[in-house]
Amino acid sequence: SQKIEQNSEALNIQEGKTATLTCNYTNYSPAYLQWYRQDPGRGPVFLLLIRENEKEKRKERLKVTFDTTLKQSLFHITASQPADSATYLCALVGNYQLIWGAGTKLIIKP
Amino acid sequence: GAGVSQSPSNKVTEKGKDVELRCDPISGHTALYWYRQSLGQGLEFLIYFQGNSAPDKSGLPSDRFSAERTGGSVSTLTIQRTQQEDSAVYLCASSLPRGLGSNEQFFGPGTRLTVL
Repeated sequence: SQKIEQNSEALNIQEGKTATLTCNYTNYSPAYLQWYRQDPGRGPVFLLLIRENEKEKRKERLKVTFDTTLKQSLFHITASQPADSATYLCALVGNYQLIWGAGTKLIIKP
Repeated sequence: GAGVSQSPSNKVTEKGKDVELRCDPISGHTALYWYRQSLGQGLEFLIYFQGNSAPDKSGLPSDRFSAERTGGSVSTLTIQRTQQEDSAVYLCASSLPRGLGSNEQFFGPGTRLTVL
């Protein structure tokens, strides 16, 4: 079955540095991969979508890469700020279902 | 404009009771999704509606779970004979109708269900 893995351990990054989060998947070739941010007690908020024919996508301080050979997406936040602290989720499509990773908790320390 | 709304925000019920959760999607969003999220876990896909029809209901955990959507708008998720393992946050999302996964999803605040 389709499986998505994100680093289950929290990622601690010093303010101003680049944070890199990983999303690995198996057993499928998704046409799209999405990244969301989720704050405690809130629903996820969409950040970026990348298509299988796109290697990289950028939005302000955010960058997503998509390597269909490695079956991996990387999510980067440059010049990180404490306000970037949240849980980040990746999701992809498989058989009419959106399959989600468990998320990585990112903590940006001042 | 209004986002996705869900009601109630919190629901505490006794084991064995039925509960009904409601979702009001963004106007014009014909795609609607239900998810379940347990504490510290990722989102578990339950069901997806395109208009009033659900192409795939296999994500529903058991036959105690059902969902419907009428008028291409409001959706209700019903859980019959609730069990303690049903306790979770139930999230609803909506999106434009351009194919599953190719559009951003807009989430509601969720309904926190606690089964005693």
